[in-house]
Amino acid sequence: ETGVTQTPRHLVMGMTNKKSLKCEQHLGHNAMYWYKQSAKKPLELMFVYNFKEQTENNSVPSRFSPECPNSSHLFLHLHTLQPEDSALYLCASSQERRQPQHFGDGTRLSIL
Amino acid sequence: QQPVQSPQAVILREGEDAVINCSSSKALYSVHWYRQKHGEAPVFLMILLKGGEQKGHDKISASFNEKKQQSSLYLTASQLSYSGTYFCGTEFTGTASKLTFGTGTRLQVTL
Repeated sequence: ETGVTQTPRHLVMGMTNKKSLKCEQHLGHNAMYWYKQSAKKPLELMFVYNFKEQTENNSVPSRFSPECPNSSHLFLHLHTLQPEDSALYLCASSQERRQPQHFGDGTRLSIL
Repeated sequence: QQPVQSPQAVILREGEDAVINCSSSKALYSVHWYRQKHGEAPVFLMILLKGGEQKGHDKISASFNEKKQQSSLYLTASQLSYSGTYFCGTEFTGTASKLTFGTGTRLQVTL
């Protein structure tokens, strides 16, 4: 298996639920990213991890909690989300920072 | 502070050319170009670093004008497979590895 894999592809959850998004990359990259893509809005960077260390938190609400246990895996833990959090969440990786980013297919999240 | 892309949308006939522009109000370190087809992940096209270089990838090329803080993507003799939304992602001088994306340009190539 190659590339960047995200699971689940679709997720519907209530505002009081707790769920996690998973991202796995098989490219040997050292940097990983979470992005949010809403309709008619630009891709928004949420978090950056470099060698498992968080190097960027783009003013993301605390109801989103990232975790990077190793260079190949990235999680986004979700709890008490709001309807405006419904979006496509994309994970990406790159060899190093400032290198081309390879994106996963995303998780389509819907908050009821 | 996000870059401004123009046009917002364009429809082409197969074989026609197009130019997509990406402008920033802040000093740029680099510009990344990506294409995203509906329901798919964005795919990397090319990176341009400050220095005014021009890059090419098959019939798609791009330039970076450091003075104007602007990059342009050139699509020559467009093919049906070029359809999708094109995004520029900009890195500003002084901020490491943080891409700020434009709102995208939707390109549709028809027969």
